[in-house]
Amino acid sequence: DGGITQSPKYLFRKEGQNVTLSCEQNLNHDAMYWYRQDPGQGLRLIYYSQIVNDFQKGDIAEGYSVSREKKESFPLTVTSAQKNPTAFYLCASSNGLAGALYNEQFFGPGTRLTVL
Amino acid sequence: AQKITQTQPGMFVQEKEAVTLDCTYDTSDQSYGLFWYKQPSSGEMIFLIYQGSYDEQNATEGRYSLNFQKARKSANLVISASQLGDSAMYFCAMRDPQTGANNLFFGTGTRLTVIP
Repeated sequence: DGGITQSPKYLFRKEGQNVTLSCEQNLNHDAMYWYRQDPGQGLRLIYYSQIVNDFQKGDIAEGYSVSREKKESFPLTVTSAQKNPTAFYLCASSNGLAGALYNEQFFGPGTRLTVL
Repeated sequence: AQKITQTQPGMFVQEKEAVTLDCTYDTSDQSYGLFWYKQPSSGEMIFLIYQGSYDEQNATEGRYSLNFQKARKSANLVISASQLGDSAMYFCAMRDPQTGANNLFFGTGTRLTVIP
């Protein structure tokens, strides 16, 4: 079945450690996104990529890094520079022309990161 | 600047009744898209319905309809014949082409509880 997978579902990190969250899609979508969700808040965009080997910062990119070496994969690294990384992280993908109004984003199941 | 406002942190509805979830948005552009997503306790985001700014008719998808009032900049979600499985968080989101990308701006969400 086509979809988006994220792993792990739960992740614990010690302060000062970098961790990488996995996101894989087999929908053949060009664009991929990383969002962060905090309790009582909506989703905020961290990074997005519209094509392989290219990505752009979102609203809250500080302390995060990404890569897009393959169309199917868009891993997110939470670095030690991220001061408050405990949150729920959602990956999404979409297909369509940049700037197109209707461009439904399909979401993965999310990764819940907790800093100990 | 905040682009999406959802003023109802929580709503209750009796099973089989209809409920309206409010959403107002802010944009100076004439061309934009509005989305509603459902987030059950499992965490994944489920696309429900879409309304384009140029669509003359309100969007409908099964039990979901969107009450689109362009002059008031509101895009309220109406769920008819509520079911227990409708209990979840609901997010309104907007795509504004002025951003030059396909990312969505999300509101803070409304938690809907369906009472048997």
